[in-house]
Amino acid sequence: QKEVEQNSGPLSVPEGAIASLNCTYSDRGSQSFFWYRQYSGKSPELIMSIYSNGDKEDGRFTAQLNKASQYVSLLIRDSQPSDSATYLCAVIRDNRLAFGKGNQVVVIP
Amino acid sequence: EADIYQTPRYLVIGTGKKITLECSQTMGHDKMYWYQQDPGMELHLIHYSYGVNSTEKGDLSSESTVSRIRTEHFPLTLESARPSHTSQYLCASSDQRTANTEAFFGQGTRLTVV
Repeated sequence: QKEVEQNSGPLSVPEGAIASLNCTYSDRGSQSFFWYRQYSGKSPELIMSIYSNGDKEDGRFTAQLNKASQYVSLLIRDSQPSDSATYLCAVIRDNRLAFGKGNQVVVIP
Repeated sequence: EADIYQTPRYLVIGTGKKITLECSQTMGHDKMYWYQQDPGMELHLIHYSYGVNSTEKGDLSSESTVSRIRTEHFPLTLESARPSHTSQYLCASSDQRTANTEAFFGQGTRLTVV
């Protein structure tokens, strides 16, 4: 089982809609969780961090963490064409930062 | 904006050459990472360091080596470059001494071995 799983294929959403991304992790002891955005040819950029169960909101982004079910999700409200990118889920496990394979989001104007 | 720098940004080099990819950060972060990423593919951790004189191999086997003689500097070396080493190499750092353990990335080095 991979440490961090992002299984959804490319996600196409109309402009203004909500994009929903999910991520599961294998190590129940993981404490720190992150969402990164990566534009094609660029390096990952941190957009959200979450450390405790529940929701955390930052502008149009909301991260949700459920440690009992070992999943973390990201909602992007009012999606904009500039949100078109690959979104990477990351988890600190054994003091290492492990990434999922990412989900591509395409926002259609 | 994160203060982590990688040089060079792009490098085209012949097979068999020795190369060193530089990574420096001015944030005083103790933890540093090297990731390898092919276009459109996932990030693979190849090396990491907890601090000075600490280096560990990551999840993906790599022929590269790293050193951590100074807190701010974490260079990656390939003794003899091969076409299979063609990839993007990303350096990141984080501060594990605080509650916020976010990692910040440099701009990456795109390596092409011909």
